[in-house]
Amino acid sequence: GNSVTQMEGPVTLSEEAFLTINCTYTATGYPSLFWYVQYPGEGLQLLLKATKADDKGSNKGFEATYRKETTSFHLEKGSVQVSDSAVYFCALRLTDSWGKFQFGAGTQVVVTP
Amino acid sequence: KAGVTQTPRYLIKTRGQQVTLSCSPISGHRSVSWYQQTPGQGLQFLFEYFSETQRNKGNFPGRFSGRQFSNSRSEMNVSTLELGDSALYLCASSLEGIGNEKLFFGSGTQLSVL
Repeated sequence: GNSVTQMEGPVTLSEEAFLTINCTYTATGYPSLFWYVQYPGEGLQLLLKATKADDKGSNKGFEATYRKETTSFHLEKGSVQVSDSAVYFCALRLTDSWGKFQFGAGTQVVVTP
Repeated sequence: KAGVTQTPRYLIKTRGQQVTLSCSPISGHRSVSWYQQTPGQGLQFLFEYFSETQRNKGNFPGRFSGRQFSNSRSEMNVSTLELGDSALYLCASSLEGIGNEKLFFGSGTQLSVL
């Protein structure tokens, strides 16, 4: 079946540090890949996406590249801020399953001043 | 434009009861999906509706059901509640078509089963 595996948290960083959250997937088809973020007290919102191999999604200083050869979609940010503290979810969606996303377990990121 | 609206925000029920949760999608969105979020299992897909038809279904027992109305509003129902049904239930809506591969989530309904 389809699955998403992401690194466990919490990940604790100091402000301006480099952030990487690893995400790998298993899929029977050719999925689109997403990163969603859940800030404290808020709903899930899309951070970035990539729909085909070698695509790079980017938003708010975050980047992730769709690597088909390693079935990965790692999230990176060069210099985190306290406001980046949140739970980050990696997700996939197959082309024939419009609203059916497979989410990873989520990684909590805590950025300290 | 208003976001995805879920009601109620909180619910407390006892085992054996049933519950109905409501979701109003963003105007113009015809796809509505439901997810269950728990600390142990994370986000699990329940089902998706499009134009009043269930289009996809997750691996949940038949006690979990849903429907969609002609105005795209959706409800989900859980019958014979169990303690393990305590969770945050999230509704998401989306547009169709290439370039619209994005779910817009509501704030959720927090269900506690005692």
